[in-house]
Amino acid sequence: AQTVTQSQPEMSVQEAETVTLSCTYDTSESDYYLFWYKQPPSRQMILVIRQEAYKQQNATENRFSVNFQKAAKSFSLKISDSQLGDAAMYFCACSGSARQLTFGSGTQLTVLP
Amino acid sequence: DSGVTQTPKHLITATGQRVTLRCSPRSGDLSVYWYQQSLDQGLQFLIQYYNGEERAKGNILERFSAQQFPDLHSELNLSSLELGDSALYFCASSVEHRSGNTIYFGEGSWLTVV
Repeated sequence: AQTVTQSQPEMSVQEAETVTLSCTYDTSESDYYLFWYKQPPSRQMILVIRQEAYKQQNATENRFSVNFQKAAKSFSLKISDSQLGDAAMYFCACSGSARQLTFGSGTQLTVLP
Repeated sequence: DSGVTQTPKHLITATGQRVTLRCSPRSGDLSVYWYQQSLDQGLQFLIQYYNGEERAKGNILERFSAQQFPDLHSELNLSSLELGDSALYFCASSVEHRSGNTIYFGEGSWLTVV
């Protein structure tokens, strides 16, 4: 089983600036995956980025990158050059051998013009 | 568009009734997951099927059941509905191999119980 903790219920960032969303997790498994999902007001769950735990290299997708610290069980999301369309609820999630996702409580990101 | 299709998108029903939510996974995906998102309990895993077999159970009530059919589509049946069952129900799917375990979500089915 996994647990995922997001300690920042709300964050804000100025347009074009950089923001980092925090996430810590706990799992007893050696083979697991970590994800960040975005949920805009439409409520659709959109995959932002994925990290395989066995890979040391941090995943990057355009303006989104992660800082994966395996020993510290930390998985933060950095959004560079923030845009108004980045405003959403962001969920950190972990999946293990059974593959279903365990989600954190989410961080509501506001982008200020 | 994630490729995961859910119907209906919105549903309003009365307490005590039964509803069925339907999900078609992405082409080639063998795993189907059901999640419930409510205001007070966040995103909760309900149940997972893999190639027609139940793989894992989460916080799924006994009043709820699911199945995955030979064509891999899945249905979530909710019965004896209560006001507290009002939520957004997501279906998700994945292909499930070591380098490709990415889970994609459908747009969800909004259930309102009145």
